[in-house]
Amino acid sequence: DVKVTQSSRYLVKRTGEKVFLECVQDMDHENMFWYRQDPGLGLRLIYFSYDVKMKEKGDIPEGYSVSREKKERFSLILESASTNQTSMYLCASSFTGDLLRISNQPQHFGDGTRLSIL
Amino acid sequence: AQSVAQPEDQVNVAEGNPLTVKCTYSVSGNPYLFWYVQYPNRGLQFLLKYITGDNLVKGSYGFEAEFNKSQTSFHLKKPSALVSDSALYFCAVRDRDTDKLIFGTGTRLQVFP
Repeated sequence: DVKVTQSSRYLVKRTGEKVFLECVQDMDHENMFWYRQDPGLGLRLIYFSYDVKMKEKGDIPEGYSVSREKKERFSLILESASTNQTSMYLCASSFTGDLLRISNQPQHFGDGTRLSIL
Repeated sequence: AQSVAQPEDQVNVAEGNPLTVKCTYSVSGNPYLFWYVQYPNRGLQFLLKYITGDNLVKGSYGFEAEFNKSQTSFHLKKPSALVSDSALYFCAVRDRDTDKLIFGTGTRLQVFP
């Protein structure tokens, strides 16, 4: 079974802090994703990466950055945390499908990090 | 623009009865469609997908979904609901322009004993 592990289930930080959320997958997936989940808004893509050291902006990248130095690890960074970044953060990974298309393959999710910014 | 809609915030059904969770989509070209389930305090789990082929797709835990091109729908179904099916269900569609997944806002399924 695919295992996507997020380093923290719950995290409480203060406004202005630099926050690191870590994600590791064990299935040699090329693609990794960071989403945030908010009630009534579903999942929104923050950043994704289709290879080591590669990154692409998602729909809501402002206030975030990412790092992918190794294939199995994808980090989300909140440069200066703000209260509106309080949310559930979900990491996911997937294989690249046929025709080099990312999204005809299912994504495998971690259990999420519930982040509170005070 | 590509989009997906889940018109019901919550669906209630009695255990043993059939269930349907609705999803409609708007994409150009042939859609790639997915259903995911989220149990409390967990991440999303993949249930099933439609890429091409048979309109009726079978997935995990006895779920199936029917792709209807004329109605642009991809409703999730199960013949006999279990209390353990109570969870949050997300429909998703591939954005043809960006190749990213677009998720619906989710439907909470409550199955009562």
